[in-house]
Amino acid sequence: DAGVIQSPRHEVTEMGQEVTLRCKPISGHDYLFWYRQTMMRGLELLIYFNNNVPIDDSGMPEDRFSAKMPNASFSTLKIQPSEPRDSAVYFCASSFFAGGPGTDTQYFGPGTRLTVL
Amino acid sequence: SQQGEEDPQALSIQEGENATMNCSYKTSINNLQWYRQNSGRGLVHLILIRSNEREKHSGRLRVTLDTSKKSSSLLITASRAADTASYFCATDKSGGSNYKLTFGKGTLLTVNP
Repeated sequence: DAGVIQSPRHEVTEMGQEVTLRCKPISGHDYLFWYRQTMMRGLELLIYFNNNVPIDDSGMPEDRFSAKMPNASFSTLKIQPSEPRDSAVYFCASSFFAGGPGTDTQYFGPGTRLTVL
Repeated sequence: SQQGEEDPQALSIQEGENATMNCSYKTSINNLQWYRQNSGRGLVHLILIRSNEREKHSGRLRVTLDTSKKSSSLLITASRAADTASYFCATDKSGGSNYKLTFGKGTLLTVNP
């Protein structure tokens, strides 16, 4: 398997523009997570899906952020309009729930480095 | 509040030495995981320890968990320059069907050749 695939790897945009980040999870995984990483705040969970359904979006910073998962092999994170403070590395991760209490291993993509000017 | 917090924030050692990193957390957990992140890359899972386990080994890695103290440690033995990376602990919260992980801010390990 190719692992979690994210695109683009780097994105530079101007304030006010719409940004769409894409993720292809590992085939067969039933959980998908979007994270944001900054030096100041570390790694923050934005939203996660189970079987394509959003389960918890409490980490989404504001209405400018939205995420979708139209099918088991694709998810998007959209920022509209983008602001300089959105500059960060955005990671997608997927996992397979093997049973038992609690979480299982998450497999991370390489990330998208977003710079908003 | 931060669920998992690593200590120290940075650690610099010589190749061949052992490296120990600690993690403290606040609420009861089901599992605790350790991840590694090389500069500019995604996180890679190292090891998962369940709340009913006290110690786990994987190659040169040894993880301990003390649920009474709400703490964990990661020991890397006979370190190599390739072990240079940031190391994160990640915890979930026990109870319910919660599959969220909360990550600490990490320990930056530098192994000097």
